Amino acid sequence: DAGVIQSPRHEVTEMGQEVTLRCKPISGHDYLFWYRQTMMRGLELLIYFNNNVPIDDSGMPEDRFSAKMPNASFSTLKIQPSEPRDSAVYFCASSTRTGAANQPQHFGDGTRLSIL
Amino acid sequence: EDQVTQSPEALRLQEGESSSLNCSYTVSGLRGLFWYRQDPGKGPEFLFTLYSAGEEKEKERLKATLTKKESFLHITAPKPEDSATYLCAVHSSTGNQFYFGTGTSLTVIP
Repeated sequence: DAGVIQSPRHEVTEMGQEVTLRCKPISGHDYLFWYRQTMMRGLELLIYFNNNVPIDDSGMPEDRFSAKMPNASFSTLKIQPSEPRDSAVYFCASSTRTGAANQPQHFGDGTRLSIL
Repeated sequence: EDQVTQSPEALRLQEGESSSLNCSYTVSGLRGLFWYRQDPGKGPEFLFTLYSAGEEKEKERLKATLTKKESFLHITAPKPEDSATYLCAVHSSTGNQFYFGTGTSLTVIP
């Protein structure tokens, strides 16, 4: 099993530029999550999908953030325009569900984003 | 308001010195509590899932327990390779939401 694959691993860009983060979930997982991790706030859930449909995007900080899942094997998180306060590590995770309980989420190794 | 709090923030142990990490939570309906380990530069790695009060899970030197208000991660005779940040997360039935604590950074000194 290849695990959750994220790209790029590192991204450095200037303020105002568009940033696109990519994620390939584990095959067969029908839930996909995007998180942001900072020292101050820890891991924050931004949005999650079930069967490619966004279920809860209440954690998305602003309209500058958007996420899509065009098919079961690919998702993107886009920031446009980017700002220095968006600098963080962004994680993608996937899971499946048994009955009413979600199975553990499996995480990628993250994208470290630096906005100058 | 649903909330997850972990303590202590940081913990330094001598090799072989057993201790416990705490995760307290306030959620209206618990669907599951998860423990993860995170190494620097890596994503969180799943350790345990607990679903109901009284449940216990063990793996090598780690043992997780759950009550109605909190969970403990007990570390018995830790080794330097156990050094990592340990994260607790809950799946709440309210709005089907997921919440992570801010973690406990564990350092085990040889």
